[in-house]
Amino acid sequence: AQKVTQAQTEISVVEKEDVTLDCVYETRDTTYYLFWYKQPPSGELVFLIRRNSFDEQNEISGRYSWNFQKSTSSFNFTITASQVVDSAVYFCALSPGEANSKLTFGKGITLSVRP
Amino acid sequence: GAGVSQSPSNKVTEKGKDVELRCDPISGHTALYWYRQSLGQGLEFLIYFQGNSAPDKSGLPSDRFSAERTGGSVSTLTIQRTQQEDSAVYLCASSLATSGAPLDTQYFGPGTRLTVL
Repeated sequence: AQKVTQAQTEISVVEKEDVTLDCVYETRDTTYYLFWYKQPPSGELVFLIRRNSFDEQNEISGRYSWNFQKSTSSFNFTITASQVVDSAVYFCALSPGEANSKLTFGKGITLSVRP
Repeated sequence: GAGVSQSPSNKVTEKGKDVELRCDPISGHTALYWYRQSLGQGLEFLIYFQGNSAPDKSGLPSDRFSAERTGGSVSTLTIQRTQQEDSAVYLCASSLATSGAPLDTQYFGPGTRLTVL
């Protein structure tokens, strides 16, 4: 069975602070995929990143960066110099590396960035 | 191009009535998924369609829930004899993935907020 744990439920920061959202996963698959999605107040889930289990390189996209560590089964997400527009619920998700690619989501982290 | 669209955006119904929720996937996407988002359960997988293959219905919570996908495109999720615990946001997603091909990313629609009174 697959499981995703996002232990942080709510985080509040002041604008321009850096913030890291934690994600820990469990799977018995050797091939799998990890995702982060953002859900702003409008409600639509927005895809941020996909990472497969064979690629442990960290990734940076603008103010966003992701740290994938198989040794600790973690896929953490850092927002640098946070902005008010980053306020949203962030979901980490896991999928098996096969044709049936249903996602298992964590409970989500509500991030509030105050001006 | 257009993203995943869902209708209606909001649906209020009375307990015991049937409801139909519609999803239009991104054009050309062969895989379609339904998820449910509720306060108590978070985001849960319901059902998955992939091309002409039999759907994966393993996430449907009861036999009151069913879904179909006509012509490999539009999908309808039907909930019969609705209960108050069915109140949730129902999300549809689609992806380009084809059987045997590498996993592709799921793109989500805006959801249908269902309220059962």
